[in-house]
Amino acid sequence: GENVEQHPSTLSVQEGDSAVIKCTYSDSASNYFPWYKQELGKGPQLIIDIRSNVGEKKDQRIAVTLNKTAKHFSLHITETQPEDSAVYFCAASSGISGGGSYIPTFGRGTSLIVHP
Amino acid sequence: GAVVSQHPSRVICKSGTSVKIECRSLDFQATTMFWYRQFPKKSLMLMATSNEGSKATYEQGVEKDKFLINHASLTLSTLTVTSAHPEDSSFYICSAKDSNTGELFFGEGSRLTVL
Repeated sequence: GENVEQHPSTLSVQEGDSAVIKCTYSDSASNYFPWYKQELGKGPQLIIDIRSNVGEKKDQRIAVTLNKTAKHFSLHITETQPEDSAVYFCAASSGISGGGSYIPTFGRGTSLIVHP
Repeated sequence: GAVVSQHPSRVICKSGTSVKIECRSLDFQATTMFWYRQFPKKSLMLMATSNEGSKATYEQGVEKDKFLINHASLTLSTLTVTSAHPEDSSFYICSAKDSNTGELFFGEGSRLTVL
């Protein structure tokens, strides 16, 4: 089955700095890689995702890159703000479209702390 | 964006009682929903995969008779914790897969406390 490793487990940055979270996966059949942000006491919220036919995707201060050959993908947050503080989870899955089985495998999470 | 409603957000019950948690996809159809359990400062632990109109598939170690899952429609799945005990206290989260796009969206979670 799929195995997703996520690093670092904790990331502390100063407001305005960039933050990078990295994940690796093992199953070359995985084709969908979402990232989730979870604030304390709430459910995870999808913030960005990337599919295997794309190498990079950007949405304002958030970007995700994917290297299929090396089987790793990363989340980049620029100009961090205190409200970015949360736990971030990466995930990998196959069968993204239609009736695919799609059981996502999650990383262990990264606790991002942005100091004002 | 797509919305998944999970209810109740918090529930406190006495040991031995049963608790039902609902998960609804509000603006999309979800053939497949997932139920997770999350311990403090830990990742999401998949409990079961719920498929509309069929029996749920449980992960190893999860008691299907204790955690009853029903997915009777394309927009609703329920998790019933039967004969709850204090060790069942946890944060339970559902997610729903958009049948058209395949994207996965989470509910807000339900904090269960068993006294």
